[in-house]
Amino acid sequence: AQKVTQAQTEISVVEKEDVTLDCVYETRDTTYYLFWYKQPPSGELVFLIRRNSFDEQNEISGRYSWNFQKSTSSFNFTITASQVVDSAVYFCALSEVRRYNDMRFGAGTRLTVKP
Amino acid sequence: NAGVTQTPKFQVLKTGQSMTLQCAQDMNHEYMSWYRQDPGMGLRLIHYSVGAGITDQGEVPNGYNVSRSTTEDFPLRLLSAAPSQTSVYFCASRPRATEAFFGQGTRLTVV
Repeated sequence: AQKVTQAQTEISVVEKEDVTLDCVYETRDTTYYLFWYKQPPSGELVFLIRRNSFDEQNEISGRYSWNFQKSTSSFNFTITASQVVDSAVYFCALSEVRRYNDMRFGAGTRLTVKP
Repeated sequence: NAGVTQTPKFQVLKTGQSMTLQCAQDMNHEYMSWYRQDPGMGLRLIHYSVGAGITDQGEVPNGYNVSRSTTEDFPLRLLSAAPSQTSVYFCASRPRATEAFFGQGTRLTVV
């Protein structure tokens, strides 16, 4: 069965600090997708990134970067030089290709960035 | 494009009442799903559909019904509301093999 674990329930940092959000997943499939979503205080879910299981290349988008390591079943998310606007709950999710619509989410990590 | 539209945004029900949460998407996506979000538990899948006329259960289906008569609409029915169903509900749609697009959520309180 597919499972996503985000062990960090809450993280608090001061502005300009770097922060890494951990995501560990379990799946028996070889083909799957991993996602990160952001949920700001307003409540909507904002898509950040999708990665398929055959693409282990790390990705950088501005201050955001993602480290995908199949060997450790991890898909970690780093925010460089954090800003107050990064304060949100961040969710990691997994979708097995043979079960496209069964996207499973982790419990989320609440990030607070203090000025 | 409106994307995924959920109604209502807020609802208070009494225990035992029934109601339907509406979800509509205008992106012609095959897949639609319903999640509930509870503190510390992330989003949990209630029911999902892979096309009109086809639905299946997710992780937490008890107490909920769904149907999918058209590609656009995927309503979620609470048959007899219970306080344990107090939650924020999200509807999502997605085409194959991409990210899900979420509605704005419905905050439901059962008293």
